[in-house]
Amino acid sequence: KAGVTQTPRYLIKTRGQQVTLSCSPISGHRSVSWYQQTPGQGLQFLFEYFSETQRNKGNFPGRFSGRQFSNSRSEMNVSTLELGDSALYLCASSLQGSRGNEQFFGPGTRLTVL
Amino acid sequence: AQSVSQHNHHVILSEAASLELGCNYSYGGTVNLFWYVQYPGQHLQLLLKYFSGDPLVKGIKGFEAEFIKSKFSFNLRKPSVQWSDTAEYFCAVNANLPGLGRGSTLGRLYFGRGTQLTVWP
Repeated sequence: KAGVTQTPRYLIKTRGQQVTLSCSPISGHRSVSWYQQTPGQGLQFLFEYFSETQRNKGNFPGRFSGRQFSNSRSEMNVSTLELGDSALYLCASSLQGSRGNEQFFGPGTRLTVL
Repeated sequence: AQSVSQHNHHVILSEAASLELGCNYSYGGTVNLFWYVQYPGQHLQLLLKYFSGDPLVKGIKGFEAEFIKSKFSFNLRKPSVQWSDTAEYFCAVNANLPGLGRGSTLGRLYFGRGTQLTVWP
C-alpha cells in the first residue's frame, strides 16, 4: 500500500506570495491532518479534514486554509506569506481520524520564504 | 495549559547503553499516547502506541513504553541502543479535552518538542 504522498517536496517563495501544498492520503483513509514543524515551535497542528469538512483547527491565522476533496486528497493554502512561515509542512492520514486512530505521516513539504 | 513535555532535548549515548526518554502530559480525561521517530532525512514513523489495556507496550525495533496514569507519564525505553537509533523522538497525545464534547480533538495530536538521540558507535 502506498504511503502518504506530498507535493511538492520543496518550495521557495517570497514574502507576500501565496502557496498551495498537496497531500494524498493512504488509500481508504478519510481523515487528513496538517502540521507545521519548525525548530523553534516544534510540531504544531494546523487543521484536520474528514469527509471534505474541516473538523478541527489549530491556532493559526486565517492566512492558513485548507480543503479536502471527495477522494480524500487535501490541499492547504497559505496566503500573503511571511518569513516566519518557513517550515516543514507535514500531512498525516488516518482511517477515520477518531481518537486512537494511528496517523501516518508523509515526507513533508519544505517551504522557504525569502 | 495543556501540554506534552519531553524532559531531554538532546541525549548522547554509546552503543549498548540503555535508553529512557521521559514524556509527561497534562491532559485530563482519556488519552491515547504515541511515540514517533524521525530518522535523518526521513518522515515521522510510529514507534509504538497505547490505547488501553496493558500499560507496558512494545513497539518496533526493541522499543517499549510504560503508561503510568497516576504520573501522567509515557516514558520510552530501550535496553540496548544501536548507532542506527540516532534520530529525533517525539511523544504525542490524542485526548478528549474535558468540557469540549466528544470528538473535539479527533484527528489532532499534541506533540512534545522532541528529543534528539545521538548514539556513538
